[in-house]
Amino acid sequence: DTAVSQTPKYLVTQMGNDKSIKCEQNLGHDTMYWYKQDSKKFLKIMFSYNNKELIINETVPNRFSPKSPDKAHLNLHINSLELGDSAVYFCAVAQYFGPGTRLLVL
Amino acid sequence: GNSVTQMEGPVTLSEEAFLTINCTYTATGYPSLFWYVQYPGEGLQLLLKATKADDKGSNKGFEATYRKETTSFHLEKGSVQVSDSAVYFCALSDRRAGSGGSNYKLTFGKGTLLTVNP
Repeated sequence: DTAVSQTPKYLVTQMGNDKSIKCEQNLGHDTMYWYKQDSKKFLKIMFSYNNKELIINETVPNRFSPKSPDKAHLNLHINSLELGDSAVYFCAVAQYFGPGTRLLVL
Repeated sequence: GNSVTQMEGPVTLSEEAFLTINCTYTATGYPSLFWYVQYPGEGLQLLLKATKADDKGSNKGFEATYRKETTSFHLEKGSVQVSDSAVYFCALSDRRAGSGGSNYKLTFGKGTLLTVNP
């Protein structure tokens, strides 16, 4: 079984739209993370979420919001998408990463 | 704050050559150290890790030793293969005292692109 899964794998959308990326884990950890990988492959943490409490928000615009319906899920909602949001977004639990979602904003 | 510096790429080697990718870090406390590999078009795979000084992580012929005195975690492989071509990331997690367990907020280096030619 995959420890950390994400959907969709690819997401192509227009500027101004609102979209969500889903993440699910079966490791039983309390804390989940979202990372962003830019076009130069640089990885940076966006959020850490623990038991419905946001722990870290590393200067991410408030158009991005994590939502956790339960302990096994941490979804990333993005409002009013901009061209600069195009990137690969990774969900992570402990040291394990999901497969990534490649977001392209046109 | 924490930071990770790894050697600039790209690195191009012939098959069966020896590989070293340098990684040094700056951190408070006692970080854990990681190497990740990202194959073209794919996600991040944990390659190896070390959680305390002098630990050696190893996997798939790759090795790295946690050197606290030099704040380094260099990645090595004795004989690379074409299939090792990928981007390699060095990372650390800030394991703060009193965090109630593991804190896996990861700080990454910029990545090193390795190309191995037949």
